[in-house]
Order: sequence, then C-alpha cells, then structure tokens
Amino acid sequence: DVKVTQSSRYLVKRTGEKVFLECVQDMDHENMFWYRQDPGLGLRLIYFSYDVKMKEKGDIPEGYSVSREKKERFSLILESASTNQTSMYLCASSLQGLNTEAFFGQGTRLTVV
Amino acid sequence: AQSVSQHNHHVILSEAASLELGCNYSYGGTVNLFWYVQYPGQHLQLLLKYFSGDPLVKGIKGFEAEFIKSKFSFNLRKPSVQWSDTAEYFCAVRRYTGGFKTIFGAGTRLFVKA
Repeated sequence: DVKVTQSSRYLVKRTGEKVFLECVQDMDHENMFWYRQDPGLGLRLIYFSYDVKMKEKGDIPEGYSVSREKKERFSLILESASTNQTSMYLCASSLQGLNTEAFFGQGTRLTVV
Repeated sequence: AQSVSQHNHHVILSEAASLELGCNYSYGGTVNLFWYVQYPGQHLQLLLKYFSGDPLVKGIKGFEAEFIKSKFSFNLRKPSVQWSDTAEYFCAVRRYTGGFKTIFGAGTRLFVKA
C-alpha cells in the first residue's frame, strides 16, 4: 500500500526557531512536494523536487527551504519561524510525467507562537 | 493569481439533493485533472481523475466529473448527496512547467444537512 509519512501531526514552535518538517515515501517516487493548506486558499505549492538534490520553487517559497539528500526523504525547513507560517503542511509524492497522481501524507499542523 | 478556480467556497445541501461543483483552469496544453476530498479530520484522498479518453469519469462513492476541453472545465457531480459527503473538495490540475506540478483550487466546503 502506498505510503507518505510525515514525522509529526502537530508541532508548536516559537517565533525565530528553525523548524524541520520531515516527509518519507516508500513508493520510489521521483517527485516530492510540499504544500501549505490554509482556509479559503486551498493548497499552495511551496517547493517541489523531481530528483535527489534537485529542487524547484513553487508559488510561495519565501521563508522556506528544502532538502532532498535521499530519494525517499524530502524535508521542509523554516529558517526562522514566524507567526504567519502557522498552517497545515502537506507532503506529497508522485511518479515522473503526466498520467500519474500525487499521494499525500496526513499533514503536519504547525503553530508558531 | 489563482489558476484553478472553484466557483463556490461554501455549499449547503439537504440529503438527496443533486450536487455540482464547478472547476475551471487557465492552462493550455496537456493536463491531468483531479478532484480530491478531505473529510473532517482526515487527510486528502483522491476522488477521481482524468488523464485521457472518455471525458466523463466516474470516481468513488457515486461521484463523477466531466471534462469539457473547450471550456477548460472539470465539474464534479453527484446525483444524490448523503450526510457523509460533508467534506471539503479540491479541484487540481497537473501540468508540466519545468517539472510536473499539481496546482489546487481554493476548495469548496460542502455541508449536507441530514
């Protein structure tokens, strides 16, 4: 069965902290994605990666960075957390190319205080 | 700018009513189209998808969607909703822009009255 696992369901961090959100997939997918989900805005793409050590900015990359050292793992980093980064973060993975679908993790609800 | 538009942010229906949720996108070229559903407290699940072929696709739980290429639309329908369909529904488009990205609409929150 397909699985995308995010390391935490809930996180509370202080303003200015460096935050790491981890995501692991067991499907040997080339593509991995980080989205944030906010009410009324849907899912907005932060960064994606189509191969190990490769990354591309999504629509809202400011304040975030990513790391993909191994194919199965994609990390989202908040260099200095701010309150406007309080959100639900979703990781997804997919095969390369069209005619494939993305599979999602259960989400990490991050609160920055 | 939002490139995947969902027409309604909130929809309230009574059980057995028919449902249609609109979705339009603004990309040309080849795309894949999806509807995802998120039930309260649960993670995102795929409802149905369109890759090619018959523009009328059927998904789980009695949902279907029709791809109308000339209108850049992919509307979701269900003839008779149930209370258990209360959820948030997201339309999504997958396309190639230097990598294959899936772009989501803002979501439609459906509440079905028992």
